[in-house]
Amino acid sequence: DVKVTQSSRYLVKRTGEKVFLECVQDMDHENMFWYRQDPGLGLRLIYFSYDVKMKEKGDIPEGYSVSREKKERFSLILESASTNQTSMYLCASRLLRNTEAFFGQGTRLTVV
Amino acid sequence: GQQVMQIPQYQHVQEGEDFTTYCNSSTTLSNIQWYKQRPGGHPVFLIQLVKSGEVKKQKRLTFQFGEAKKNSSLHITATQTTDVGTYFCAANAGGTSYGKLTFGQGTILTVHP
Repeated sequence: DVKVTQSSRYLVKRTGEKVFLECVQDMDHENMFWYRQDPGLGLRLIYFSYDVKMKEKGDIPEGYSVSREKKERFSLILESASTNQTSMYLCASRLLRNTEAFFGQGTRLTVV
Repeated sequence: GQQVMQIPQYQHVQEGEDFTTYCNSSTTLSNIQWYKQRPGGHPVFLIQLVKSGEVKKQKRLTFQFGEAKKNSSLHITATQTTDVGTYFCAANAGGTSYGKLTFGQGTILTVHP
């Protein structure tokens, strides 16, 4: 079975902190994604990566950056956390374009 | 960017009633995927539709892709309490994008026993 693992289930950070959310997949997938999920807004794409060191902005990239130095790992970085970044963050991966996506369990981030 | 609009946002049904959620795009889609997220869980892939007018069934679930490939629907016959959750459609970007996957807002289904 494909496994997508996010480093933390719950995280509490202070405003202005630099925050790292880590995601690891074990199936040699090409594509990896970061979404945030908020009530009534569905899953909004922050960034995705289609190969090592390759990335594209999603719909809401402001305030975030990403890093993909190794194929199995995709990191989401909040350069200076703000309270409006309190949310559920979901990582996903898939083998190729147009294949099914597999999600991690999510990280509930609270910025205080 | 490509957007998919999903309605309704919420649906409350009595167990045994049918349920339908709709997904619409202003642009032609190369394909569409459907996911289910149980309460407290993460989205799980259900199915992918590729061909114009395609209809696929999974037990009580029927998925349709419109003739113009701009809309899709998921219909559940005779809902059960195990159907509760949020149903999302997701569209793969076409053109030169390397694989952007955009989700609709989701429909939250509540089933009353």
